[in-house]
Amino acid sequence: DGGITQSPKYLFRKEGQNVTLSCEQNLNHDAMYWYRQDPGQGLRLIYYSQIVNDFQKGDIAEGYSVSREKKESFPLTVTSAQKNPTAFYLCASTPSQWRGNEKLFFGSGTQLSVL
Amino acid sequence: AQSVTQLDSHVSVSEGTPVLLRCNYSSSYSPSLFWYVQHPNKGLQLLLKYTSAATLVKGINGFEAEFKKSETSFHLTKPSAHMSDAAEYFCVVRGNTGFQKLVFGTGTRLLVSP
Repeated sequence: DGGITQSPKYLFRKEGQNVTLSCEQNLNHDAMYWYRQDPGQGLRLIYYSQIVNDFQKGDIAEGYSVSREKKESFPLTVTSAQKNPTAFYLCASTPSQWRGNEKLFFGSGTQLSVL
Repeated sequence: AQSVTQLDSHVSVSEGTPVLLRCNYSSSYSPSLFWYVQHPNKGLQLLLKYTSAATLVKGINGFEAEFKKSETSFHLTKPSAHMSDAAEYFCVVRGNTGFQKLVFGTGTRLLVSP
């Protein structure tokens, strides 16, 4: 089945530690996105990538980094500079960003908590 | 800038009764609007979308929404709630410049009681 796989489902970070969240898709989509979800808030865009080897900051990129070395993979690193990392992180993709009005395909999310 | 306001953080209904989830939008042009649903600890799934065609949009699982420009609203409805409808619902507007970013509302949690 085609889809987006996020791992791990739950992740714990120690003080000062960098952690990486995995996102893999087999939908052959060009565009991929990372969102952060906090209770009672909508989703906020962290980073997005329109094509391999290219990515752009979203609204809340500080303390995060990404890479897009392969079309199917878009890992997110939460660095020690992110002082409030506890949240639910969602990865999504679309066939192509510029067609417009296409739906986002979401993974099942990773819950990150601070020890 | 585009934005959406979901007027209720929680809505409680009984199984078999109608559902109404309210959303108002702000946009300087004709927007593209969406409703997404999120079940606990899951990703989001598209329910329906409005893209300047018919103002009454039908989605999956019996949901529909009506675009009302005069009221700047895009409320989500369903005639009869089912227990499986219990979830969080997000109203979303899409920008039409540059990145065409999706802007999410804060969500409405739908509770369905037997």
